[in-house]
Order: sequence, then C-alpha cells, then structure tokens
Amino acid sequence: SQELEQSPQSLIVQEGKNLTINCTSSKTLYGLYWYKQKYGEGLIFLMMLQKGGEEKSHEKITAKLDEKKQQSSLHITASQPSHAGIYLCGAAKTQGGSEKLVFGKGTKLTVNP
Amino acid sequence: DTAVSQTPKYLVTQMGNDKSIKCEQNLGHDTMYWYKQDSKKFLKIMFSYNNKELIINETVPNRFSPKSPDKAHLNLHINSLELGDSAVYFCASSQVYGRDQPQHFGDGTRLSIL
Repeated sequence: SQELEQSPQSLIVQEGKNLTINCTSSKTLYGLYWYKQKYGEGLIFLMMLQKGGEEKSHEKITAKLDEKKQQSSLHITASQPSHAGIYLCGAAKTQGGSEKLVFGKGTKLTVNP
Repeated sequence: DTAVSQTPKYLVTQMGNDKSIKCEQNLGHDTMYWYKQDSKKFLKIMFSYNNKELIINETVPNRFSPKSPDKAHLNLHINSLELGDSAVYFCASSQVYGRDQPQHFGDGTRLSIL
C-alpha cells in the first residue's frame, strides 16, 4: 500500500526564517496535494502537483514534485506566525477501481515571533 | 459564504447513543467525502459519494451509515457510539470524481464519547 512519510513531524522556527517540509512516497505519485490545518478548523487546500519536476508558488509558499514523482517538498520563505499550523501532504491512490486521497501524518509548524 | 459546512461543530454524547452529523456544500460539486482524524491527527477516508452514489466504503463498521439525499448533502449517522469513535470528522467535496481534483474541507465535527 502507498504510504506517505512526512518529515519532520514537528518544526519550531523563529519568525523570518525559511523552512522546508518533505513528503516521500514508496510509489509513484499521481497527484500530490498540500493542505494546511489550523487548530479547530478544516483543511485548507494549498497546491496540487501532478507532473515530474513541477513547481508551484503561492505567496511565500513553494511546493515541488521531484522528477521521479516520489518526493515533494514544501518550502516557506520568511516565515510568519500566520504560517503556523499542521501541514499535510495527500496523494491520489487508486484501489479497487476507486480513487481516494491518502494523507501523511502531518508536520506541525510553530513560528515564534 | 461557507463552501463546505458541517453541523454540529462539537458533539459530546454518551456511549451507546445514536448521533448524526450533517454536511452541506454550496460549490456545486458532484463528489463528497467523510474523513476521520484520530487523536494523533492521522486523517483517513471513510466514505465517498459521487452524485449520490456510494463510491468508497473504507472498511468502516456498519454502525456508520452515510446518507446522501442530494449531491449537495452527505450526512453521517452513527449507531451505538463507542469510545473509539471519539475523533474529528471532516466532510469534503470535489468538483468531480477523480485523482486530479482538489478537495475542499469543512471545519470538522469534534465528537467526544463519554
């Protein structure tokens, strides 16, 4: 079965610092999603990557999918307290003819002012 | 305007009770989902419906019964609640069914079993 490993599990950074979160799969990824979750709230869709080598950016967040489509990274530049939360990567998986989304266990990000 | 809304946000009840969680999306999406997030924050799919038809049933106990009266609603009814059912339940929707469709999530229902 496809499992997604996220690293690190938690991360504490000082405001203004850059950081990277990784998501690794044992199988080829066909659709890699990044979500952010704040306490007491639902998941906010950040980005979707599909092609090997693809890179997308939104404000200060950049996500990349490697050429082999087995690893994705999420990079935050000049972090702010508003970036704090749990970041989850999700991957599309086909099972029994059905499509579903499986998630990593998340990376908890704390940004200290 | 809330895109995917769930009610209630908090649900505290006793073991053995039956409860329902409601979900509505106003995005015009065809596909809706229920996820369970356990105490370790691990998020796992439970059900998926596409145009009111069940697509995915992820070996969830039959005490859990989803119902989709129309494609904008997917409710979750739980019979004979057990302690292990305590979790956050998320509803989500996507425009159509497929691997390249981002899912939009509700804010979750925090279910606590006493």
